[in-house]
Amino acid sequence: SAVISQKPSRDICQRGTSLTIQCQVDSQVTMMFWYRQQPGQSLTLIATANQGSEATYESGFVIDKFPISRPNLTFSTLTVSNMSPEDSSIYLCSVVAGQAKNIQYFGAGTRLSVL
Amino acid sequence: LAKTTQPISMDSYEGQEVNITCSHNNIATNDYITWYQQFPSQGPRFIIQGYKTKVTNEVASLFIPADRKSSTLSLPRVSLSDTAVYYCLVSGAGSYQLTFGKGTKLSVIP
Repeated sequence: SAVISQKPSRDICQRGTSLTIQCQVDSQVTMMFWYRQQPGQSLTLIATANQGSEATYESGFVIDKFPISRPNLTFSTLTVSNMSPEDSSIYLCSVVAGQAKNIQYFGAGTRLSVL
Repeated sequence: LAKTTQPISMDSYEGQEVNITCSHNNIATNDYITWYQQFPSQGPRFIIQGYKTKVTNEVASLFIPADRKSSTLSLPRVSLSDTAVYYCLVSGAGSYQLTFGKGTKLSVIP
C-alpha cells in the first residue's frame, strides 16, 4: 500500500482564480491518477500522470483547464484553472503501489468550493 | 470495461452480517473484481480483490460463483463505523484504468 497526502484538504476560491492541489506519496510510484468527485456522485478520472511524460487526459478534460505536473516519482500537482462554480468538487489523487496494477490507493481528497 | 450493477443503498443493524451483491454480466476472462470503501470526506479505500471462489481478509469476504457474473461482498458483524459507500469494480489484471459506478450506500443503524 501507500500513504498519500493531499494539500490543501479544502479551499474556498473565487470565480476566475486558479488553485493548485499537491499530492505527496511516501514511496516512489510510476502511476499517479487524478479524479474528480462531484457532490453525491461517483469518481471520474481526470488524467493519468506518469513521471517524465505528459499527462494523459480523459474525454471531457483538457490540459488548459487542468494542467498537471509530475516532477518526480513521489509528487504531483493538479491545477484547476479559471475556476467557475461548476468546478466545485472533491479532487482526489491515487497511485498504484504494489504488484497489482488494478489496485489504487487514494488520498483523502481536496474539497473545493468556488463562489 | 465490464459494467457493474449494485444496489443504491442498504440498511443494516449493528452486529448483523451484511452482504452486498454486484452484477457484472460482461466480465472478461482476465478481469478481477475489486471492492472499495469510501467514508465521507475521505478517498476510497481498497478492501478486497478476487478472481474466483472465495477470498477472505481481516475486513471482509468476497464470494464469486463459478460463472463470475456476480460477486458478493460480506461484512461480518457490522458496526456504526462501517457506514460508508461501497464500490464494486471490474478490471483487467494488467489494466491501470478503474471505472467507478455509483456504489452502494450502507447505513448501519444502532
